[in-house]
Amino acid sequence: DIQMTQSPSSLSASVGDRVTITCQASQDISNYLNWYQQKPGKAPKLLIYDASNLETGVPSRFSGSGSGTDFTFTISSLQPEDIATYYCQQYDNSLTFGGGTKVEIK
Amino acid sequence: QLQLQESGPGLVKPSETLSLTCTVSGGSISSSSYYWGWIRQPPGKGLEWIGSIYYSGSTYYNPSLKSRVTISVDTSKNQFSLKLSSVTAADTAVYYCARRSSGLVDYWGQGTLVTVSS
Repeated sequence: DIQMTQSPSSLSASVGDRVTITCQASQDISNYLNWYQQKPGKAPKLLIYDASNLETGVPSRFSGSGSGTDFTFTISSLQPEDIATYYCQQYDNSLTFGGGTKVEIK
Repeated sequence: QLQLQESGPGLVKPSETLSLTCTVSGGSISSSSYYWGWIRQPPGKGLEWIGSIYYSGSTYYNPSLKSRVTISVDTSKNQFSLKLSSVTAADTAVYYCARRSSGLVDYWGQGTLVTVSS
C-alpha cells in the first residue's frame, strides 16, 4: 500500500500569509496526486488535480506542485474563508488520502 | 447538476452488517467515464477510501476492508450500495458516496453518520 504523509498536521497563520503544506508518498506516484479542502460538517471539495492543475472555479491563490514522492500545496494569501482541513490523495495504486492539515487563522 | 444522496440506518449493532444506498440524480450511473464509490471518515479523523464500482459491476476494494465489503450497482434505479459486514465500533464514521473520474473524486454526497453501538 502507498502511504501518504502530510505535514504539518495543523497550522495557524494570519490573513494574507503564504501557507504551505507538504505531502510525501511512500513510493513514486508520478503526478497522480490531488488536493481537497474540507470545511467542518461538509464533504471534501477538489481543489487541485494531477499535482498542479487548478480545478475549474477554484481561486488562483491555491496552487500545487511536485512529482514523484514529494508534493507541495500552497495558499498564496490566506483568506478567512480558507479555514478548513486540507487533504492530499494519491491514485497511482488504489486510492489513499493523507492525514490532513487543519488550517486556522492566527 | 449531479447530486448524490446517501440513505440507510444511522445505528448498527456490533457484529451486524452496515448497509447504505447512494441515489444518483442529475446524471446516469451508466456513464462509461466514471466509477462510483464509498469513502468514510471516523469522527475527528481523516478520509479512508472503501471501494468503487463501475456500472458494469466491476469492483475495486480497499485491501484492508476487502474481506468485509460488498459494493453493488442497480442501474435501473440509478443507485449503488455498500454492505460492510461484522462491524465494530471502529466502523463508526461518516460515510460518503462519491463519483470517481479517473483518479479524482469530483462529486460527493453530503455524508451520513453511521454509529456502531449496542
